[in-house]
Amino acid sequence: ETGVTQTPRHLVMGMTNKKSLKCEQHLGHNAMYWYKQSAKKPLELMFVYNFKEQTENNSVPSRFSPECPNSSHLFLHLHTLQPEDSALYLCASSQEFGAGNEKLFFGSGTQLSVL
Amino acid sequence: GQNIDQPTEMTATEGAIVQINCTYQTSGFNGLFWYQQHAGEAPTFLSYNVLDGLEEKGRFSSFLSRSKGYSYLLLKELQMKDSASYLCAVRNSNYQLIWGAGTKLIIKP
Repeated sequence: ETGVTQTPRHLVMGMTNKKSLKCEQHLGHNAMYWYKQSAKKPLELMFVYNFKEQTENNSVPSRFSPECPNSSHLFLHLHTLQPEDSALYLCASSQEFGAGNEKLFFGSGTQLSVL
Repeated sequence: GQNIDQPTEMTATEGAIVQINCTYQTSGFNGLFWYQQHAGEAPTFLSYNVLDGLEEKGRFSSFLSRSKGYSYLLLKELQMKDSASYLCAVRNSNYQLIWGAGTKLIIKP
């Protein structure tokens, strides 16, 4: 299997649930990202891990908790979410964070609905 | 503030040519990217421009004018499979990627 794989593809959860999103990349990259994509809005960067170290946290609420156990895996732990958190959550990877022309490789995303 | 502007939606005819514009205001400039995203799928890289001018890649071309803060993506010989959203993103002087909201392109037979 190649590329960036995200599971699950769809997730419906209540506001009191705890769930986790998983991302795996098979590209040998060193940087991994979580983005939030809402309809008709720009992609919002949530977290960046470079060589397993968190380098960016764009004022994301604590109900979102990332985990990066190694360069190939990235998790987003979710708890006590709000309905406005419903969105498509995209994982991406790149060779290294911050290089000028490096392109991102995205997974297909998890479509999250919070009821 | 920093922002990227691109049209929300465009419609074009199969076989025709369409130009999707992107204007940007960012703190510095270190390159501009175009990505394609089909509905329900991952965004995929299309092009990268860092110098002024036109970059051609098959049916797709991307143009950049840094002095005008302007880029466009040109799609020729449109096919139905080109129906997708096209995302413009600029890397600023802090190497942050600033994204536009995307342009949904609808191709009609």
